[in-house]
Parts: sequence; structure tokens; C-alpha cells
Amino acid sequence: DIQMTQSPPSLSASVGDTVTLTCRASQNISPYLNWYQQKPGKAPALLIYKTSSLQNGVPSRFSGSGSGTDFTLTITSLQPEDFQTYFCQQSHSTPYTFGQGTKVDIK
Amino acid sequence: QVQLQASGPGLVEPSQTLSLTCSVSGGSITGGASYWSWIRQYPGKGLEWIGYINYRGNTYFNPSLKSRVTISRDTSNSHFSLKLTSVTAADTAVYYCTRDYNGLYFDFWGQGILVTVSS
Repeated sequence: DIQMTQSPPSLSASVGDTVTLTCRASQNISPYLNWYQQKPGKAPALLIYKTSSLQNGVPSRFSGSGSGTDFTLTITSLQPEDFQTYFCQQSHSTPYTFGQGTKVDIK
Repeated sequence: QVQLQASGPGLVEPSQTLSLTCSVSGGSITGGASYWSWIRQYPGKGLEWIGYINYRGNTYFNPSLKSRVTISRDTSNSHFSLKLTSVTAADTAVYYCTRDYNGLYFDFWGQGILVTVSS
């Protein structure tokens, strides 16, 4: 199985900050890396697919980049609704696997 | 807009079979490029992909669960189902049904159903 490692597990930030979340795969998965946002008590929601494509309806302050084994999700100008948990997921090969998540909370 | 709604018992006894159904609306489960997956999320928040059934009716399961999992579909009623046999407390999780677009990403999710394995 491909192992997905997210860092940091949590981070504290303020409204208006720019934050970068990292996801590392145990082998080359480019470009099959997706990002999801999860709100408490809700299902994860797709933000970015295939490394850098923004899902319909997702604000442009979210962006993704990376290649090979290293990928990032950047949120510019954090808004109050962005303080959630974020997961990466690889779709390069089955079994699909997820990172353990990064929780973004308010400083 | 595809909508998914999972249903089934919230409590299953150890060694029994967990059975869930996902009703799909706004899209066809036989439509091209559509894969229909089950994913579970443990109380500690980790996510595990269980398996899928695709638009052709082909299935693929996570090898870690393969011996215990069945995914089937009812095309006339637009739903697909999960059966997980011989459950233990380790199978306690929130179970989500999702659409997997062409094996690339999970773009639509059901609301999730908490299944607790306990006597």
C-alpha cells in the first residue's frame, strides 16, 4: 500500500494568514493526489483533485501543487470557515489511501 | 447533483454481519466513469477505503478487508450495498458511501452512518 504522511498534524493560525499543509507519499503518485476538507460531524468534501485542479465551487484561495512524492495545499487569506481538518488522498493505485489529516485551528 | 444516502443499523453485535445500503439520486450507478465506493472513518479520524463497485458491476476491495467484504448493487432501485462479515470492535466507525469519479477522486459523499460493534 502507498503510505500518505501529512504534516503538521495540527497548526494554529489567524484569520488572514496564509498556511501551507504538506502531504508526502511513500512512492511517486504524481499527479494523483487529492485534498479534502472535513467539518465536524460532516463528510469530507473534495477541494482539489489531481494535485492542482480546483473542484467546482471551491474558493480560489485554496491551491494545490507538488509532484512525485511531495505535495502541498496552500490556503491564502484564511477565512473563519477554513478552520477545519484537511486530508490528502492518493488515487494512483488501489487500495486508495489517505493521510492522517491536518487540523487547522484558530490561534 | 448526485446525492447519496446511507442507511442501515447503527449497532451490530460482534461476529455478526454489518449491512449498509446507499441510495443514489441525481445520477446513474451504471453511468460511464462512475465508481461507487465505501469508506470508513475511525473514531480517531483516520480514513480507510473499503472498496468499490463500478458502472460495469466490477468490484475491487481493499486487500486488508477482502476476505470479509461484499459490495453489490441493485440497478433497478439505484442503490449499492456493503456487507462486512465477522465484525469486531475494530470495525466501529462512521461508514460513508461515495461516488469515485473514474477512479480519480471522491466527489460526492453520503452523510455517513455511525456503526458501533458491541454486544
